[in-house]
Amino acid sequence: GAGVSQSPSNKVTEKGKDVELRCDPISGHTALYWYRQSLGQGLEFLIYFQGNSAPDKSGLPSDRFSAERTGGSVSTLTIQRTQQEDSAVYLCASSLPAQPQHFGDGTRLSIL
Amino acid sequence: GNSVTQMEGPVTLSEEAFLTINCTYTATGYPSLFWYVQYPGEGLQLLLKATKADDKGSNKGFEATYRKETTSFHLEKGSVQVSDSAVYFCAQIGSGNTGKLIFGQGTTLQVKP
Repeated sequence: GAGVSQSPSNKVTEKGKDVELRCDPISGHTALYWYRQSLGQGLEFLIYFQGNSAPDKSGLPSDRFSAERTGGSVSTLTIQRTQQEDSAVYLCASSLPAQPQHFGDGTRLSIL
Repeated sequence: GNSVTQMEGPVTLSEEAFLTINCTYTATGYPSLFWYVQYPGEGLQLLLKATKADDKGSNKGFEATYRKETTSFHLEKGSVQVSDSAVYFCAQIGSGNTGKLIFGQGTTLQVKP
């Protein structure tokens, strides 16, 4: 399809494990964003990519969180040593410069 | 810092009722403003936007006017339908030149037949 694709749609893992979340943006979209949606905190910005560079990582909550983007396309958000408070829906969005963002359906992450 | 505040939900209305969901913002300057909608089981979708003061965004019968005097961007619809039941998020473009969005906490709307 032509939309933002995220995988997996659901992920259940044990506390302390590492997880990787994937985002395939809309083809040609140079900007890519990760957000987190949780009950207590609402929708929070995590990180912004322009091409393969991340000029704004200000929303990453701790050094356990990291993200990369390759080929100006696919992005991976990695959470190391997961904690229960990491349970949330992780949303990816992409856009053309100065245009509205298009969101994927998200990855629901549950930490047991 | 920049922030967005929405009226608390849930909002429960009967079909064909008038809808208002309040949204106010704090910001340096005049950021672009948005309403996003999240239908049950789906991702966020852009509903409407306004990029400067006094602009009116509209889509699917919904409207919102950018009011710099009151720093508000209230969402309205004259006659809601059951299919409008969803979570509505007000958002602004954050500071800096990244285009990142700052969201309100979301308002759940339930429309009953």
